[in-house]
Amino acid sequence: EIVMTQSPATLSVSPGERATLSCRASQSVSSNLAWYQQKPGQAPRLLIYGASTRATDIPARFSGSGSGTEFTLTISSLQSEDFAIYYCQYYKKWPPVWTFGQGTKVEIK
Amino acid sequence: QVQLLESGGGVVQPGGSLRLSCAASGFTFSGYGMHWVRQTPGKGLEWVAFIRYDASNKFYADSVQGRFTISRDNSKNTLYLQMNSLRVEDTAVYYCIAFHDTRGEAYWGQGTLVTVSS
Repeated sequence: EIVMTQSPATLSVSPGERATLSCRASQSVSSNLAWYQQKPGQAPRLLIYGASTRATDIPARFSGSGSGTEFTLTISSLQSEDFAIYYCQYYKKWPPVWTFGQGTKVEIK
Repeated sequence: QVQLLESGGGVVQPGGSLRLSCAASGFTFSGYGMHWVRQTPGKGLEWVAFIRYDASNKFYADSVQGRFTISRDNSKNTLYLQMNSLRVEDTAVYYCIAFHDTRGEAYWGQGTLVTVSS
């Protein structure tokens, strides 16, 4: 079973600053990695898939990188609406089993 | 627009049963594999089950294997999750998701709360 580990658990950032979130897989997941944003009371929203491709209507300040076991989500200049919890997700192609990281909370510094 | 609307959640005693439904609209439901995912404050997001677009394949997390059954009715654009032998640890918000990895599409419902308590 693949385990996804996110760090840090909480990231305190000032508006306008850059945020870098990490996700590590216990074994290679190739590029089958997605990032989600979740705000209180809402379902997760897909930001990045294929490790580095932005989903539809996602602003360019969000970028993803990495492959294999090490992945990064970067928010280049934090906006007020970006303060939320971010999850990485490994989506196995077949059988289509998913594994999520435990999340990183991005809070206002 | 794409909409997924879960229903059927509620409070049930340990050992009881519930059936969740997920009504889909705004996209070609019959062309998507569908997932159930649950979320708890303590365990975060946990994948529960998957059903192929034509229901020819189904997969389950070990934690629910043998107790939960995923199904779909493409004529009604509806996904189901039959949950039997419920345990306290099944308490969570349950989401249905339409997912297409190569197109980068992940449509989530708003979730339905299942509480298993005596």
